[in-house]
Amino acid sequence: DQQVKQNSPSLSVQEGRISILNCDYTNSMFDYFLWYKKYPAEGPTFLISISSIKDKNEDGRFTVFLNKSAKHLSLHIVPSQPGDSAVYFCAASDQAGTALIFGKGTTLSVSS
Amino acid sequence: DVKVTQSSRYLVKRTGEKVFLECVQDMDHENMFWYRQDPGLGLRLIYFSYDVKMKEKGDIPEGYSVSREKKERFSLILESASTNQTSMYLCAIQYRGNQPQHFGDGTRLSIL
Repeated sequence: DQQVKQNSPSLSVQEGRISILNCDYTNSMFDYFLWYKKYPAEGPTFLISISSIKDKNEDGRFTVFLNKSAKHLSLHIVPSQPGDSAVYFCAASDQAGTALIFGKGTTLSVSS
Repeated sequence: DVKVTQSSRYLVKRTGEKVFLECVQDMDHENMFWYRQDPGLGLRLIYFSYDVKMKEKGDIPEGYSVSREKKERFSLILESASTNQTSMYLCAIQYRGNQPQHFGDGTRLSIL
């Protein structure tokens, strides 16, 4: 059974607008969450992370929100740029913080 | 910059062959991981290691083994390659728990 779910396989956004990518998890022991971006034929690149003691973390255009009661996290990209077009994976780990469980990914397309 | 080097970008092998995928890091990180990525399935953990000569099974270890004789090198071994092991293989490193993992560029392995 999937412990980390990204229910939207794809998302299309216009340049300059906000992109919101969503992720749900089922395991209440998860307490460290990450977002990765992946271009074709490259490895995933770490974007941003959040621990369960916080509900928001920002890094430039990227903000991750965590709602523990709903077991939901989201990645906001503002403003979106064509270079943001990629597959985005969310991932989670438990308190040991070692092995990551990944979602299946959401393909973001940003059009100019 | 974090550097994770996977020995081959593309590899073609035949069924029944023994296949070695190599991963080398120059960051002196403790933890190393092997994942495979398949369309629609996201990234799935095969094996990981948190010290020399230590290994732990991930979610899909069947048909694979690993070796970590030196801290900087983590090898994935397909004992007898089969066509269902055709995939993108990704190596990752992690300084310690609750830190991001950093990935290599992957090896696209085809088993004919």
